[in-house]
Amino acid sequence: GAGVSQSPSNKVTEKGKDVELRCDPISGHTALYWYRQRLGQGLEFLIYFQGNSAPDKSGLPSDRFSAERTGESVSTLTIQRTQQEDSAVYLCASSLVRRDEQYFGPGTRLTVT
Amino acid sequence: AQKVTQAQTEISVVEKEDVTLDCVYETRDTTYYLFWYKQPPSGELVFLIRRNSFDEQNEISGRYSWNFQKSTSSFNFTITASQVVDSAVYFCALSGNTGKLIFGQGTTLQVKP
Repeated sequence: GAGVSQSPSNKVTEKGKDVELRCDPISGHTALYWYRQRLGQGLEFLIYFQGNSAPDKSGLPSDRFSAERTGESVSTLTIQRTQQEDSAVYLCASSLVRRDEQYFGPGTRLTVT
Repeated sequence: AQKVTQAQTEISVVEKEDVTLDCVYETRDTTYYLFWYKQPPSGELVFLIRRNSFDEQNEISGRYSWNFQKSTSSFNFTITASQVVDSAVYFCALSGNTGKLIFGQGTTLQVKP
């Protein structure tokens, strides 16, 4: 079956512009996660959605970051007024239910110039 | 607070050697899950294993084996008879009640022919 997909695969933007990153989870997966991976580093948790519950936003680094998810489908991560330190690979993952193994998408490489 | 430590930043071995990747974790949760993921040069994270905190049995899958020891808070990963295709960054991760993954910094494994 189809895995997690993300778009765009690469995004180059100018400092100060807003960007939207999209994630399509595996069909039927109720849990969806966003992570950030800076060059040569591990993954940092950003935000987590589980069904219709309020999202866990505890990992968002600033109020410039926000995310939405429609039901149990597509999620969008928005970064407003991008800064150079936002440059990273943004990874989306989904799991059948929380605490299950998470399956990751290929990521969106964001470069802020 | 939850934390995962992978003390080995880089390991280089010659093909057919056995190699063990170390992972030490910290958590106050009584129920938690431990994971290993592989990130090959292509960048996409590949799920390898999930282990429940109540199950301390070691697991073997082909050339891969995992040793979980609660007494030392460790979840080590051994590759037997390593191959060039095993070259990748390997991440150990921990999740508690929420399901979000806390990753270690990763160990880069290089297997030389």
